[in-house]
Amino acid sequence: SQTIHQWPATLVQPVGSPLSLECTVEGTSNPNLYWYRQAAGRGLQLLFYSVGIGQISSEVPQNLSASRPQDRQFILSSKKLLLSDSGFYLCAWLTRLRTEAFFGQGTRLTVV
Amino acid sequence: AQTVTQSQPEMSVQEAETVTLSCTYDTSESDYYLFWYKQPPSRQMILVIRQEAYKQQNATENRFSVNFQKAAKSFSLKISDSQLGDAAMYFCAYRSARLNDYKLSFGAGTTVTVRA
Repeated sequence: SQTIHQWPATLVQPVGSPLSLECTVEGTSNPNLYWYRQAAGRGLQLLFYSVGIGQISSEVPQNLSASRPQDRQFILSSKKLLLSDSGFYLCAWLTRLRTEAFFGQGTRLTVV
Repeated sequence: AQTVTQSQPEMSVQEAETVTLSCTYDTSESDYYLFWYKQPPSRQMILVIRQEAYKQQNATENRFSVNFQKAAKSFSLKISDSQLGDAAMYFCAYRSARLNDYKLSFGAGTTVTVRA
């Protein structure tokens, strides 16, 4: 069966520090991968999505970047975090065989 | 671009009663998918129900059912016989059925509180 792993679960980082959040999917190949951010009590904002290795589409210009070095690995990064980067980050995957997306357990990022 | 609107930030329901959550969307496409996701306090996103636009019949999953009105671009979720475990944030989502369109768009969410 397919599973998705996202880590770390929580992270507290100082302003100006770098960020790396990782997401991996098991049990499927060539998934579409997504990074969403959820501000406190708010909806989900699509940040990046990827349809294949090295293929990244950015939805919102910002302080973050994404990379897909392997088929089932998706990484969210920042060189210098801002206070406004705080939030709950969710990774998701979707394949052509399924209509719905499946989500990781999320990372709660607090920038201090 | 597709937009999904949930106009009810919060809804409260008495245990065992019924609550209906509203969702409207904007699209120029004729074939697409609609979803309701549940996010409990654990924050894990859980699929509640999905609807294919080409199907006229409303989807049903146990106590959860939808009222899909394609012409009105409306997709409401009805929770019957509400239980304490239904307390969560509910998100409406849209996805195009086009082969190369991979974006999944979400509404702002509705927080459901269940009163014992």
